[in-house]
Amino acid sequence: KQEVTQIPAALSVPEGENLVLNCSFTDSAIYNLQWFRQDPGKGLTSLLLIQSSQREQTSGRLNASLDKSSGRSTLYIAASQPGDSATYLCAVGPDNYGQNFVFGPGTRLSVLP
Amino acid sequence: GAGVSQSPRYKVAKRGQDVALRCDPISGHVSLFWYQQALGQGPEFLTYFQNEAQLDKSGLPSDRFFAERPEGSVSTLKIQRTQQEDSAVYLCASSLVEAGAGYGYTFGSGTRLTVV
Repeated sequence: KQEVTQIPAALSVPEGENLVLNCSFTDSAIYNLQWFRQDPGKGLTSLLLIQSSQREQTSGRLNASLDKSSGRSTLYIAASQPGDSATYLCAVGPDNYGQNFVFGPGTRLSVLP
Repeated sequence: GAGVSQSPRYKVAKRGQDVALRCDPISGHVSLFWYQQALGQGPEFLTYFQNEAQLDKSGLPSDRFFAERPEGSVSTLKIQRTQQEDSAVYLCASSLVEAGAGYGYTFGSGTRLTVV
């Protein structure tokens, strides 16, 4: 059974810092990995989707990497802003049809002005 | 529509009451998923539909939970005789093709259920 963990559980940084969020998964037989952002009381907003054949994806100040063999992904946020404050979730997609994404517990990020 | 729509946004139910939560996926999306998210946790899988067929319901916590998608578009998650442990945010997601085909999910804003 796939298990997904995220470290740290919570992170507080001053505005302007670069930061890295970590995601680990136990079963490397994945098709893709998706990073989401969740604001308090809201649904999930997709940030980046990395296919298993890719090493990284970039969108603006966000960069996500994937090392499938070691079961790890990182989300790098450059020049953090208070508006980045949210919970960041990674979800691992299966490589078998009909199976669902498995989520990590999330990292709660606070960027202080 | 442009996104996944869920209603109601908030629901307060008395213990023992039945509730029905609605999800309108993106038009034409084949796959529809229901997830349950407890406070401070990541979403946990409940059930999956491919068109109108419920292919996986292994995540439903008890037989009080029932989901349907009769015409392959709108889905309803029903919870009978609600209990306090059912309090959570219920998230619906849809995907363009069948699960596991490499496409990402688009999530709705969720329904926050509070059982008192």
